[in-house]
Amino acid sequence: AQSVTQPDIHITVSEGASLELRCNYSYGATPYLFWYVQSPGQGLQLLLKYFSGDTLVQGIKGFEAEFKRSQSSFNLRKPSVHWSDAAEYFCARGGAGNMLTFGGGTRLMVKP
Amino acid sequence: DTGVSQDPRHKITKRGQNVTFRCDPISEHNRLYWYRQTLGQGPEFLTYFQNEAQLEKSRLLSDRFSAERPKGSFSTLEIQRTEQGDSAMYLCASSAGTGNTEAFFGQGTRLTVV
Repeated sequence: AQSVTQPDIHITVSEGASLELRCNYSYGATPYLFWYVQSPGQGLQLLLKYFSGDTLVQGIKGFEAEFKRSQSSFNLRKPSVHWSDAAEYFCARGGAGNMLTFGGGTRLMVKP
Repeated sequence: DTGVSQDPRHKITKRGQNVTFRCDPISEHNRLYWYRQTLGQGPEFLTYFQNEAQLEKSRLLSDRFSAERPKGSFSTLEIQRTEQGDSAMYLCASSAGTGNTEAFFGQGTRLTVV
């Protein structure tokens, strides 16, 4: 069965520092990969997606992610974190019927 | 607002009662999905529809759970004889087309079973 792993449950970074959130997916055919963000009490907002082509994808709010097939990873990065980025981040893999398999999430806290 | 709408946003019910949640997808989105999210976890897929056809329902958690999308527009998720373990956020999402495309999520219905 497909699985998605986010090894870091919590991450704390200082405002203005760089950020990398890790995501690993189980082996399979070319995956459809997504990063979503969820603010408290809110639904999920898509940050970016990878289907094929360029392995470095740009998303909204200054986020980017790099697909590395050799490492089965799709890590999310941002060069300079803002206080408003504090939220929970979910990596997901698309499957048949566009069903999404989500990782457990990483809660990001931003120190002033 | 043309996003995915879910109603109610919050529901508190007594154990053993039935509850029904409604989801209105983005207009003209042919696919509609239900997910469950428990505290501290990622969303877990439950079921999905393409138009009015329910194409996957094996992931529904038990036979107490059922979903409908009678006219291919809004959908309802019903939980019968609720249990405390059903307490969770129930998320609805919709997407257009038939391949892997962006799914847009609603704000969810938070269910508390007391």
